[in-house]
Amino acid sequence: GALVYQYPRRTICKSGTSMRMECQAVGFQATSVAWYRQSPQKTFELIALSTVNSAIKYEQNFTQEKFPISHPNLSFSSMTVLNAYLEDRGLYLCGAREGLGGPETLYFGSGTRLTVL
Amino acid sequence: QQKVQQSPESLIVPEGAMTSLNCTFSDSASQYFAWYRQHSGKAPKALMSIFSNGEKEEGRFTIHLNKASLHFSLHIRDSQPSDSALYLCAVSPLPGTGSNRLTFGKGTKFSLIP
Repeated sequence: GALVYQYPRRTICKSGTSMRMECQAVGFQATSVAWYRQSPQKTFELIALSTVNSAIKYEQNFTQEKFPISHPNLSFSSMTVLNAYLEDRGLYLCGAREGLGGPETLYFGSGTRLTVL
Repeated sequence: QQKVQQSPESLIVPEGAMTSLNCTFSDSASQYFAWYRQHSGKAPKALMSIFSNGEKEEGRFTIHLNKASLHFSLHIRDSQPSDSALYLCAVSPLPGTGSNRLTFGKGTKFSLIP
């Protein structure tokens, strides 16, 4: 079956420092990977969508300068939170799908929970 | 920009009850509608999806879509303890257009009376 692993599961960083999180797809080819943030205020925001052979598309309020993403192959993606501050706290989820069209089902990892001190 | 809203924010029901979770969206061009379920500490998992107006039933779960009303819902019958979770609705534009953005609501926290 299709599985998505994320690591680390939890991370704590000091305000102003950066942290990197990784997403691994197993059992399918992750043609596109979407990074979301589930905040303490319970919003579920799309940060960016990365599709193989296309430019990464960032949503309003999120930038490449703050959340650089790498999607080098069909099984791996990483995202870094640069200069993390309190408002960056939350659960970062990667959702991957196979294929460029058709059914939209995303397979999610369990997330990386970021705490900023 | 697509706005997706869910109601109620939380729901507590007795075991065996039938219940409905609601989702409204703002973009009338939306074509794909889904419900995801996230158990505590776990990854969200796709539960059901629908493309066209009407109903779709899978076991104890039924999804109902009314595009004209910009509304779809999830009905759960014979609620079980394993149903306790955060339910997220998600909406997307036409599949295959290259715009695979799935926009989620904040979720409805569903639990059973202990």
